[in-house]
Amino acid sequence: GQQLNQSPQSMFIQEGEDVSMNCTSSSIFNTWLWYKQEPGEGPVLLIALYKAGELTSNGRLTAQFGITRKDSFLNISASIPSDVGIYFCAGQLSNAGNNRKLIWGLGTSLGVNP
Amino acid sequence: GEEVAQTPKHLVRGEGQKAKLYCAPIKGHSYVFWYQQVLKNEFKFLISFQNENVFDETGMPKERFSAKCLPNSPCSLEIQATKLEDSAVYFCASSQFAGPYGYTFGSGTRLTVV
Repeated sequence: GQQLNQSPQSMFIQEGEDVSMNCTSSSIFNTWLWYKQEPGEGPVLLIALYKAGELTSNGRLTAQFGITRKDSFLNISASIPSDVGIYFCAGQLSNAGNNRKLIWGLGTSLGVNP
Repeated sequence: GEEVAQTPKHLVRGEGQKAKLYCAPIKGHSYVFWYQQVLKNEFKFLISFQNENVFDETGMPKERFSAKCLPNSPCSLEIQATKLEDSAVYFCASSQFAGPYGYTFGSGTRLTVV
């Protein structure tokens, strides 16, 4: 099926470091969403982006909707141990009409060393 | 309530047996989605509903999978004659009608077929 290219696949950083991850596609999206999933739980929405070029923050998290509408990035600043989890990008295609089905990346697994 | 409630949390079935999963969406949310999360974190879209009507069923393996969302009842996803490859975590999500909002996910049902 159609997927987003999400990178990196995994990363392990020291507490206090900043981290960046991104998603790219050959298709145009009208919505980008960033989720975090912890073991045994469903994904939890972190940030939603609806317009090309939009830059949105949620605490230490910042995400941007790429100007070409084909990519998005998520930055986490000053990481802490509770940031550990799998981060997913997901998007709704621009040609999907009212279809709300999401296309997903395969996740970035983040580990934080205290 | 303000959460998507999925039951059961874990389900073990012998190959060939039936499995039925339930999802109670957030009150007031008109859309319900089912996703299957398999190895390597991939989220596969199965089916979506707008109220009790099927909205998009392009992801459903129709020969063995069926789903319903009836008024005043939890939504359900049923797998007849389960196969080993059906082992996965099945997530339900709901969203509001108005606006391109992201979903709210339940905690998932882990189905193990042995």
